Amino acid sequence: SQQGEEDPQALSIQEGENATMNCSYKTSINNLQWYRQNSGRGLVHLILIRSNEREKHSGRLRVTLDTSKKSSSLLITASRAADTASYFCATEDSNYQLIWGAGTKLIIKP
Amino acid sequence: DAGITQSPRHKVTETGTPVTLRCHQTENHRYMYWYRQDPGHGLRLIHYSYGVKDTDKGEVSDGYSVSRSKTEDFLLTLESATSSQTSVYFCAISEQGNQPQHFGDGTRLSIL
Repeated sequence: SQQGEEDPQALSIQEGENATMNCSYKTSINNLQWYRQNSGRGLVHLILIRSNEREKHSGRLRVTLDTSKKSSSLLITASRAADTASYFCATEDSNYQLIWGAGTKLIIKP
Repeated sequence: DAGITQSPRHKVTETGTPVTLRCHQTENHRYMYWYRQDPGHGLRLIHYSYGVKDTDKGEVSDGYSVSRSKTEDFLLTLESATSSQTSVYFCAISEQGNQPQHFGDGTRLSIL
């Protein structure tokens, strides 16, 4: 079953703009993780936010978590062509298994 | 990149044949996972391992078996491949069950 759902499914922006992706989930979680996948490659871990955290930063990435709304957002500031990829959220359940959303496809136009 | 190698990277085979995919890691991580990725779906967990000879089923385990005889190798076997098992298969590893996962580059499997 799919726990996380990303929104939008696809996003196309100009280089230099900010990109925001959202993730909603259904059940209680231990943590929520964001991953990036470049075309034809495996997923790369970006950031993990625990259920008792509200915001986390890593370079140009900012993740927020609202457990009352069961949602998270990933903000990429000052986007670059290299940020073109699919982005996935994954929630960790009580058995430490990750349950994945279907992803947001981000295209950065030069 | 984490030391994870999947083989083969591409395979085309026929319905009813057995298929084995291999995942090899050089990180000495305890946990290893097999996922499949299909259009319109996120990753779905097939099986995972939490140690040598210790494995458990995931969400979509029917038609798949796994084995882990060494820390570094995790094998996924389709005993009798079906067209519905056409997919991209990813192996992942993590130090512990609640740690971020590191992925291989996938095996694209086509079953005709």
